[in-house]
Amino acid sequence: DTEVTQTPKHLVMGMTNKKSLKCEQHMGHRAMYWYKQKAKKPPELMFVYSYEKLSINESVPSRFSPECPNSSLLNLHLHALQPEDSALYLCASTRVPGTSGGRSYNEQFFGPGTRLTVL
Amino acid sequence: SQQGEEDPQALSIQEGENATMNCSYKTSINNLQWYRQNSGRGLVHLILIRSNEREKHSGRLRVTLDTSKKSSSLLITASRAADTASYFCATPSVNTNAGKSTFGDGTTLTVKP
Repeated sequence: DTEVTQTPKHLVMGMTNKKSLKCEQHMGHRAMYWYKQKAKKPPELMFVYSYEKLSINESVPSRFSPECPNSSLLNLHLHALQPEDSALYLCASTRVPGTSGGRSYNEQFFGPGTRLTVL
Repeated sequence: SQQGEEDPQALSIQEGENATMNCSYKTSINNLQWYRQNSGRGLVHLILIRSNEREKHSGRLRVTLDTSKKSSSLLITASRAADTASYFCATPSVNTNAGKSTFGDGTTLTVKP
C-alpha cells in the first residue's frame, strides 16, 4: 500500500461546529504533516509529527488541534473555524523526518486532500 | 519571504512542445524536489536532486540544479495534455531533524491538445 488516504473529501461546516479530518497511511512512515492550501497558492505547513510526537507547529491558531493516535493515523480537529479557514487541507507523510545516515528521506507522499468550506 | 520562487507563474504550450519551469531559493539546501499537482488534488513527488548533483533525468523530465545561483529548472519534453497541472519546487530544511519543506509559488502549466 503506497498511498495516503484522507477523509472526508469535502466538508462544509458552520463556525460553531466541531469536526475532524482524518489521514491514514500504511507505508510505515514515521513523519506526518498537515498543510493548508488556498487556491492558486503553494501548500503552507501547519504541523509536523515525528515518531508520533508533535515536532513543528507553525504558529497555527488553537482552533486547529492535531492528534497522532498511532504511527499510521493523523487527525486534525476543527472547532470554531472562520470563513477564511476555507481551503484544501492536505496530509503528507515521509519515511523518516529529515535525513538519516547522510541520505535524505524527504520525499513526501500526499493524500488527495479535504476541501473544507466554513460558512 | 518564500524560500522557493518559481517562474513563470503560468505557461501555456502546445502538445509536443517542451516546457521549462524555473525555481530560485534563498538558503542552503541538501536537496531540491519537484512536485506536480492536478487541480484540487494532492501533490505527487516527481523527482529529487541532491545538492551535489547538477542534472537528473526521469523519463521525460530533466532537472538541473545550480547551487551557486541557488536555482533549479524542470524541463518536460514532448509535453502531453495530461501534463497540464501545477508544478512546485520544494526545499527541505537543512535542519536535519525538522522534516520541514518550503514550497515555491508554483508554475501552472497548460498543454493544449
